[in-house]
Amino acid sequence: AQTVTQSQPEMSVQEAETVTLSCTYDTSESDYYLFWYKQPPSRQMILVIRQEAYKQQNATENRFSVNFQKAAKSFSLKISDSQLGDAAMYFCAYSNFGNEKLTFGTGTRLTIIP
Amino acid sequence: DAGVIQSPRHEVTEMGQEVTLRCKPISGHDYLFWYRQTMMRGLELLIYFNNNVPIDDSGMPEDRFSAKMPNASFSTLKIQPSEPRDSAVYFCASSPNQGSSGANVLTFGAGSRLTVL
Repeated sequence: AQTVTQSQPEMSVQEAETVTLSCTYDTSESDYYLFWYKQPPSRQMILVIRQEAYKQQNATENRFSVNFQKAAKSFSLKISDSQLGDAAMYFCAYSNFGNEKLTFGTGTRLTIIP
Repeated sequence: DAGVIQSPRHEVTEMGQEVTLRCKPISGHDYLFWYRQTMMRGLELLIYFNNNVPIDDSGMPEDRFSAKMPNASFSTLKIQPSEPRDSAVYFCASSPNQGSSGANVLTFGAGSRLTVL
């Protein structure tokens, strides 16, 4: 079974600075997807970014980018120019190609310091 | 599209009562998922459907839990009888079919917070 590990329960960053959230996963598959979801206090789960494992290029979405290291099974999220609205729980997730269900990590609570 | 619609947003009930949570997925999405979120266990997949057919219900805790999807636009998660340990936020999510550009991307509803006293 696939597992997703987020080793940082909490992180904090000064507004406008850059922060990196860590995620590692375990799988024997070669084709899969990785995701970062954000859950603000409203509790709505919002997709931040998706990475397809067969793509070597790291995904980016505006201020959000990932560092995908397939051999190391590492998938970190970098948030640049942090804003107060980025404060949330961030969940890393995995799904096999051809299997829609997502397996989530335990989350990292990100605090933005004004 | 209005997104994934869940009801109720909040439910407070007493132990032993029946609870029914409802979900309307995004139109055209072939997959529907029920997740449960607690502080202790995080986000757990309970069950998911493809084209209204249950595919994997291995996450359903016990026989007190049941889920149905009678048509493409509606699903229910029922707990009977409810217990205090069932208190959690229950999320419904949907995703398009494998052939689409949004494959494997789950869109979540706002969740139903259940409190069982």
